[in-house]
Amino acid sequence: RKEVEQDPGPFNVPEGATVAFNCTYSNSASQSFFWYRQDCRKEPKLLMSVYSSGNEDGRFTAQLNRASQYISLLIRDSKLSDSATYLCVVNNAGNNRKLIWGLGTSLAVNP
Amino acid sequence: DAGVTQSPTHLIKTRGQQVTLRCSPKSGHDTVSWYQQALGQGPQFIFQYYEEEERQRGNFPDRFSGHQFPNYSSELNVNALLLGDSALYLCASSYRGGWNEQFFGPGTRLTVL
Repeated sequence: RKEVEQDPGPFNVPEGATVAFNCTYSNSASQSFFWYRQDCRKEPKLLMSVYSSGNEDGRFTAQLNRASQYISLLIRDSKLSDSATYLCVVNNAGNNRKLIWGLGTSLAVNP
Repeated sequence: DAGVTQSPTHLIKTRGQQVTLRCSPKSGHDTVSWYQQALGQGPQFIFQYYEEEERQRGNFPDRFSGHQFPNYSSELNVNALLLGDSALYLCASSYRGGWNEQFFGPGTRLTVL
């Protein structure tokens, strides 16, 4: 099992749609979770951290389910500018702490 | 406020050659992490430098080495280049060895022929 797994997509949705991405992780001791956004041929940029209680930033909502070891990202009222790859990132625990990145989920929002 | 800068932006090398990539962290940051991102893949962690030492390392061979300077800038060196080393190399900066928020540079796109 991969350390961090995401559905690669692509997700093709019309403007205004609600879309949800899921990500699962294998290390139950993982401590921190993030969603990054990466535009084509650009560097990743932090979209939001994911907190245990769930958190919301405008149209974006992130949730963490530790028991099932998955995190989710919900985008409401999709905009054309949301088209990008969304990367799930997990900070593993233990002596060899580092960020583990998923392969990313591609989103295309269509007019 | 200067962001993370990397040089060069593009590089073409041949198999067996050596390459050096450079990174300057965001102002106020002292930690540099290097990643390799192949086409269609997520970034793969190479190593992290903090206080001029390699603090963590991913699953990359010894052909990949690095250095951090007193001004916190960093270099990534790759020896004996292979075709499979062709990728986007990303540098990310953070504060005090932290992992919580990393700011990425635009990357160096390396092509090995």
